[in-house]
Amino acid sequence: GAGVSQSPSNKVTEKGKDVELRCDPISGHTALYWYRQSLGQGLEFLIYFQGNSAPDKSGLPSDRFSAERTGGSVSTLTIQRTQQEDSAVYLCASSPMAVAGWRETQYFGPGTRLLVL
Amino acid sequence: DQQVKQNSPSLSVQEGRISILNCDYTNSMFDYFLWYKKYPAEGPTFLISISSIKDKNEDGRFTVFLNKSAKHLSLHIVPSQPGDSAVYFCAASGSGGGADGLTFGKGTHLIIQP
Repeated sequence: GAGVSQSPSNKVTEKGKDVELRCDPISGHTALYWYRQSLGQGLEFLIYFQGNSAPDKSGLPSDRFSAERTGGSVSTLTIQRTQQEDSAVYLCASSPMAVAGWRETQYFGPGTRLLVL
Repeated sequence: DQQVKQNSPSLSVQEGRISILNCDYTNSMFDYFLWYKKYPAEGPTFLISISSIKDKNEDGRFTVFLNKSAKHLSLHIVPSQPGDSAVYFCAASGSGGGADGLTFGKGTHLIIQP
């Protein structure tokens, strides 16, 4: 079946512009996660959704970052007034369901490579 | 402050030999650990996981060992094959329920030499 898909695969933007990144999780997966990987770094957790709600937004780097999920499926990560330090690979992952105390494997998409000039 | 550490940025192993990738963690609340493999320009692919109630999990050529007292885990690949050349990430999950984000190490680039 189809895996996690992300669009665009690459994005080049100018400092100060807004960008929107999209994630389509695996069909039927309830939980959705956003991460970013800066050059030479590991993956940094940003936010997760259980259905359409995001219980904890404290992982977002600044108030320029926001995310939403509608219909329990597609999610968008928006970065306003982009800065050069926002340049990174933004990865989305999904898992079947998120139940307290239950450990699940997260399945990743290919990522969106963002370059802010 | 890195909670998951992979201290070897790269590792070179001969084809057919055993590859051992190491990972250390500091947060005693972590109770689920995963290894992901990543090729360039692709997202991480899940390899194998282990719960803190176990000390070993095996899947084909891949075995993960967990030493809770040392807060250390390792991934063994035997025999190593050319297709194993990739970046390997260690990840950990805490007690925030099944939906908490994973904490990743910075990765180890494994190079399998013919």
